[in-house]
Amino acid sequence: QQPVQSPQAVILREGEDAVINCSSSKALYSVHWYRQKHGEAPVFLMILLKGGEQKGHDKISASFNEKKQQSSLYLTASQLSYSGTYFCGTEEDNYGQNFVFGPGTRLSVLP
Amino acid sequence: DAGVTQSPTHLIKTRGQQVTLRCSPKSGHDTVSWYQQALGQGPQFIFQYYEEEERQRGNFPDRFSGHQFPNYSSELNVNALLLGDSALYLCASSLGGGLTDTQYFGPGTRLTVL
Repeated sequence: QQPVQSPQAVILREGEDAVINCSSSKALYSVHWYRQKHGEAPVFLMILLKGGEQKGHDKISASFNEKKQQSSLYLTASQLSYSGTYFCGTEEDNYGQNFVFGPGTRLSVLP
Repeated sequence: DAGVTQSPTHLIKTRGQQVTLRCSPKSGHDTVSWYQQALGQGPQFIFQYYEEEERQRGNFPDRFSGHQFPNYSSELNVNALLLGDSALYLCASSLGGGLTDTQYFGPGTRLTVL
């Protein structure tokens, strides 16, 4: 079942913060985050496994709330290079069955 | 260090035809996953190959099949093409099977079915 992402789109000024949410109605084993720029392949950001861990990657971090089956991606002090579409992918068990990407959140960072 | 490569970059076929897409994984990787990405949507998982076997499969019909060779490269075959098969086909490589490792995506093959 495809996860739900919110918001669908967001426009920021350089230096502003953003939060992108990903939620599922199913119990999740892992949540994957990717960024895709227009005309390019998706690029891996991070994977979070169940256990409620939080990961960081430069000024981009994410959390996974196992009880709520929800993950949030935090972009701090956004840069122009952060523009793109962010996809979360969810895995319902550790055998990769039902691995599904969300519809994406389009992020535009303006100067 | 070569990244993931895919061929061809673009392909035009007509309904009912068959197509074969190719993927070479990143050096050192042994696992290849295939995805279909329709315009404006997220990638949809087709299947994954590890140790020359299909290990996991998404919700795609049997018209979609694949193969992995001893050198870890992979092919995606689609038979009896439908208009709805038009999409960007991405392959991603990783290490050790499963999906809980970093996946590196190739540039994709744009398939247009007329």
